[in-house]
Amino acid sequence: AQRVTQPEKLLSVFKGAPVELKCNYSYSGSPELFWYVQYSRQRLQLLLRHISRESIKGFTADLNKGETSFHLKKPFAQEEDSAMYYCALSGSSSGTYKYIFGTGTRLKVLA
Amino acid sequence: GAGVSQSPRYKVAKRGQDVALRCDPISGHVSLFWYQQALGQGPEFLTYFQNEAQLDKSGLPSDRFFAERPEGSVSTLKIQRTQQEDSAVYLCATGRDSETQYFGPGTRLLVL
Repeated sequence: AQRVTQPEKLLSVFKGAPVELKCNYSYSGSPELFWYVQYSRQRLQLLLRHISRESIKGFTADLNKGETSFHLKKPFAQEEDSAMYYCALSGSSSGTYKYIFGTGTRLKVLA
Repeated sequence: GAGVSQSPRYKVAKRGQDVALRCDPISGHVSLFWYQQALGQGPEFLTYFQNEAQLDKSGLPSDRFFAERPEGSVSTLKIQRTQQEDSAVYLCATGRDSETQYFGPGTRLLVL
């Protein structure tokens, strides 16, 4: 079955602490992986995608095909990182346009 | 320029009513996705358009759901004979290609 799993509904960390938001996936082809973020009262927006291998707002994510994971990491959390984070995959490289999103993890960065 | 817009932002419908939800894409965006997001869940894919062509409608939950994009720009998601389980936020996302998605603010539908 094609699935994206985010095991934590809520993650609370103190400002300046490292953050890791977990994402595991199950997909039979070659998926493309994304992280989306939704700040309070804002619309969902792309944070980063695995093919671009970039760091956005200090966040990075490495695709581990062996473990089928795409965890989101940041070495030092900031209060403005508090938001809802969704991991998603696309099968576009396998010829399908369907995106599959996880259920999301709410990150709270405490002062 | 303006982002993706959706209307109405909120819709209350009585069970059995038909509703129509509109998405105005960013100008020039050829890709358009519709998603359904239930409370506490992530967005669930409904359908995908490339210009006016509906290339994937595998996520539409029943034949009560219908989407169109006749001129390759504005899209409408129609739900016939609404049921309580249709209550959700309906999100539209558009992009220059299928790999980029700019989301609209969503339409919150409540079916009583």
